[in-house]
Amino acid sequence: SQTIHQWPATLVQPVGSPLSLECTVEGTSNPNLYWYRQAAGRGLQLLFYSVGIGQISSEVPQNLSASRPQDRQFILSSKKLLLSDSGFYLCAWSVPYDEAFFGQGTRLTVV
Amino acid sequence: GNSVTQMEGPVTLSEEAFLTINCTYTATGYPSLFWYVQYPGEGLQLLLKATKADDKGSNKGFEATYRKETTSFHLEKGSVQVSDSAVYFCALDTNAGKSTFGDGTTLTVKP
Repeated sequence: SQTIHQWPATLVQPVGSPLSLECTVEGTSNPNLYWYRQAAGRGLQLLFYSVGIGQISSEVPQNLSASRPQDRQFILSSKKLLLSDSGFYLCAWSVPYDEAFFGQGTRLTVV
Repeated sequence: GNSVTQMEGPVTLSEEAFLTINCTYTATGYPSLFWYVQYPGEGLQLLLKATKADDKGSNKGFEATYRKETTSFHLEKGSVQVSDSAVYFCALDTNAGKSTFGDGTTLTVKP
């Protein structure tokens, strides 16, 4: 079956610390992969998407970066977190014309 | 590029009321259309989908019909319940490289 694992579920990090969120997918090959951020009560903001290994498209200039070292692994990183990086981060995958599958999300609080 | 516009919220209804959340889209070619639901603190999950014109997607009493002539995919439910309170996202996907989501509509159903 197709599943997506995203961790951790919650994270509290100090300002200026690094960040690494990881997402892995099972049961499919060459998926499109996505990182979204969602502020409280707001819609989805697409941060990065990837159509293949090493291919990353950035939607919004910011303090974050993404990498896809393997076909089914997608990593969101930051060298130095800002207070404004707080939010709910969602990883997702899809294949063309079909539904997207979302992880359970990571609640990041930068203090 | 592709885009999705959905009805702004929040929407507040009494239990057993009729629900409509409007969604219109702009896309190159013939997209697949989706409605997702997000409960508090969770990722999005697929509610229903339609892959071609005049298809009707349905699930848990919710329905939406793919209207190519009006480029719309409105979500309806005849009698909402308190448990339907959530955020609803309209979305589309093509082979253009990424899924496209609307901004979400928050539904609150009061007993």
